[in-house]
Amino acid sequence: EAGVAQSPRYKIIEKRQSVAFWCNPISGHATLYWYQQILGQGPKLLIQFQNNGVVDDSQLPKDRFSAERLKGVDSTLKIQPAKLEDSAVYLCASSLVAGSQLPGAADTQYFGPGTRLTVL
Amino acid sequence: DQQVKQNSPSLSVQEGRISILNCDYTNSMFDYFLWYKKYPAEGPTFLISISSIKDKNEDGRFTVFLNKSAKHLSLHIVPSQPGDSAVYFCAASLIGGSQGNLIFGKGTKLSVKP
Repeated sequence: EAGVAQSPRYKIIEKRQSVAFWCNPISGHATLYWYQQILGQGPKLLIQFQNNGVVDDSQLPKDRFSAERLKGVDSTLKIQPAKLEDSAVYLCASSLVAGSQLPGAADTQYFGPGTRLTVL
Repeated sequence: DQQVKQNSPSLSVQEGRISILNCDYTNSMFDYFLWYKKYPAEGPTFLISISSIKDKNEDGRFTVFLNKSAKHLSLHIVPSQPGDSAVYFCAASLIGGSQGNLIFGKGTKLSVKP
């Protein structure tokens, strides 16, 4: 079974530029997550999709970050304009379902390799 | 305000011995806990989980213990192997609330020496 794919793996941009990341989840996974992991920290959820609808975007800085999941499969995360503090690894994860009453394998989140963003 | 805390940034253990990684949490509403393992340049990989209705879950060399009254969980790896060297993240979630939103700790870097 193919894992979660992300591209690009690395990106270097200057502040105030824009950047986009792409994620292809595991086939059949309904739920997709974008996390931001700053150096020395654990991943922090930015946005969660269930199929093509947004479930939770409470921690997404909406003035500069946007995300979409067209047709409930692939997703893109965009930053426009980027700031120095956006330098981080952006992780995409997917799970079969989310929030079931009997957690188990169906809830397990599978992560992609991440995109390392450096903002200069 | 960190809701999931891993107070040891690093841990070094001899091959064959036990590794114990600790995690504390502050939100009593958390009722599902997970451990993820992360190698450099890769995404986190799910390792083991435990529901709050249990106090122990075992999977091969990995055992997670949960002490709800102390809001503490630990991951035991026995015996430790050099391939276990990685960063281990503790995570917690609210079942039925945030629908799978995981709150992660900062991680503990485990080094297993041959």
